[in-house]
Amino acid sequence: SYELTQPPSVSVSPGQTASISCSGDKLGNKYICWYQQKPGQSPVLVIYQDKKRPSGIPERFSGSNSGNTATLTISGTQAMDEADYYCQAWDSTTPVIFGGGTKVTVL
Amino acid sequence: QLQLQESGPGLVKPSETLSLTCSVSGGSISSSSYYWGWIRQPPGKGLEWIGSIHYSGTTYYNPSLKSRITISVDTSKNQFSLKLNSVTAADTAVYYCARHEGSPAAGNSWFDPWGQGTLVTISS
Repeated sequence: SYELTQPPSVSVSPGQTASISCSGDKLGNKYICWYQQKPGQSPVLVIYQDKKRPSGIPERFSGSNSGNTATLTISGTQAMDEADYYCQAWDSTTPVIFGGGTKVTVL
Repeated sequence: QLQLQESGPGLVKPSETLSLTCSVSGGSISSSSYYWGWIRQPPGKGLEWIGSIHYSGTTYYNPSLKSRITISVDTSKNQFSLKLNSVTAADTAVYYCARHEGSPAAGNSWFDPWGQGTLVTISS
């Protein structure tokens, strides 16, 4: 079965850039989206179709997808960006697959 | 603004059937553009997709859960529902409903927005 691999944690200083990876076989050939989940809250879509931002999502969130790796980038990271982030893609056997999640800590 | 709200028992006994309903407000569940999905999250763990349904009745299920799942839609009530049978402690999770946009079959889909989630505990 297809798997999406994310690092368990990423640390970033305020104002710096956080990069969260999501890896899978030939992932660049698939569409990917990203969700942000703060403690005790429901997930929120922050990127869809690799790099599109939904209305209301700050411009500091951006996405890319090529080869075997997709990346969610948070530029000028703020304390409010501390959360868990999940990638999601598709496989021929399962329309929806989630990565294991990455906890972003803003130090 | 579209809102989704899960409802159902918070405690289910092992081997019984978990039943949840998602009520949709601020929009019609009968829109041809969307599917409607269920996702769960065990305490302290990641997200797991359960399945999705179109108002026409077309469904997509997670293969790992398919034998135990039924998802249905009631357009008259603007609701969709989840039934998961033969539950065990491993089914304890927060269950979310969400609008499933895009084309699941074409590998281009996403969930937005999500309901607030409801914790279902499997215990005797």
